[in-house]
Amino acid sequence: AQTVTQSQPEMSVQEAETVTLSCTYDTSESDYYLFWYKQPPSRQMILVIRQEAYKQQNATENRFSVNFQKAAKSFSLKISDSQLGDAAMYFCAYRSAQGAQKLVFGQGTRLTINP
Amino acid sequence: GAVVSQHPSWVICKSGTSVKIECRSLDFQATTMFWYRQFPKQSLMLMATSNEGSKATYEQGVEKDKFLINHASLTLSTLTVTSAHPEDSSFYICSASRAREEKLFFGSGTQLSVL
Repeated sequence: AQTVTQSQPEMSVQEAETVTLSCTYDTSESDYYLFWYKQPPSRQMILVIRQEAYKQQNATENRFSVNFQKAAKSFSLKISDSQLGDAAMYFCAYRSAQGAQKLVFGQGTRLTINP
Repeated sequence: GAVVSQHPSWVICKSGTSVKIECRSLDFQATTMFWYRQFPKQSLMLMATSNEGSKATYEQGVEKDKFLINHASLTLSTLTVTSAHPEDSSFYICSASRAREEKLFFGSGTQLSVL
């Protein structure tokens, strides 16, 4: 079974600075997808960024980018120019490209933005 | 964008009663729907996967007779918590997948409180 590990329960960053959230995963599959989701106090799950495992190029979405290291099974999220609205729980998630395609989530990292 | 509607947003019930939560895909046909449970300050744990017209597949440790899932159409899945007890109090979130898309679309969640 696949597992996702986020080793940072909490992180904080000064507004306008850069922060990196860590995520590692374990799988024997070669074809899969990785995601970062944001969950603000409203608890609505918001997709931040996604990465296809077969793509070597790291995904970017405006201020959000990932460092995908397939061999190391690492998938970190970098948030540049942090804004107060970025404060939330962030979940790393894995989804197989085959079978049931359910999302497996990490434990989450609570990100605080200091003004 | 794809919209998933989940109702109710919150529900309070007495111990021993049953509660039904609905999850609807408003503008697409959901080939598969997933039900997650989230305890305070914890991650999302998959409860079951449901496909239209077939029995749900439950994760290990989830009581299928307690958490009844019905996926009667391509746009509606329901989760019924039968004979609810205080330990069933939690945040329940549904998500849906659309054919040939790797990302999932999430409902806004239901907070269940059992007195």
